[in-house]
Amino acid sequence: EPEVTQTPSHQVTQMGQEVILRCVPISNHLYFYWYRQILGQKVEFLVSFYNNEISEKSEIFDDQFSVERPDGSNFTLKIRSTKLEDSAMYFCASSGYDRGKTQYFGPGTRLLVL
Amino acid sequence: DQQVKQNSPSLSVQEGRISILNCDYTNSMFDYFLWYKKYPAEGPTFLISISSIKDKNEDGRFTVFLNKSAKHLSLHIVPSQPGDSAVYFCAASDGGSTLGRLYFGRGTQLTVWP
Repeated sequence: EPEVTQTPSHQVTQMGQEVILRCVPISNHLYFYWYRQILGQKVEFLVSFYNNEISEKSEIFDDQFSVERPDGSNFTLKIRSTKLEDSAMYFCASSGYDRGKTQYFGPGTRLLVL
Repeated sequence: DQQVKQNSPSLSVQEGRISILNCDYTNSMFDYFLWYKKYPAEGPTFLISISSIKDKNEDGRFTVFLNKSAKHLSLHIVPSQPGDSAVYFCAASDGGSTLGRLYFGRGTQLTVWP
């Protein structure tokens, strides 16, 4: 069964450093998402992406964040200058025929900012 | 953000019996609801969904019921199996969102014991 994959599974970085989280969505999907879950809190929406454009972003997704689909398979989330409060589990998701109604999630990247 | 609430952090059920997980929401714009299952160190796995035009959807051992007037949905698992032990997230999609931004509850830890 096709699945969303994410790399790396864990990332430790120093505050102020840039990180890039990578995702390979399900191959025939067209709609892509990033969510995050801070320890002990809810899963929160960050951004949705379609046709090489951001469709919607939350208040969390400020100028420090950016997303890109650099090629036909990868979807990346970049955090330009990480803060301690960016420490979280970051999930990529993708959706196909139903335009985001059903989203399939990857295993996540655990980001720790020191 | 309290738009989706799962008020029971945990539920313990004997194998073979019914598990009922509950979820409440406040936003009348939600038009699609999903349940995800999550094991430790994995991403949320899509389980079952329901559109707001229906009041019941069934898939094998899993049935989701939607009561729009009460803004309440529930997931029934019959019969429960030890492999069902996981965290279950309720999520809702805003009909006004372009690509289905999901709002999650905090999750309910289900434990099925032999």
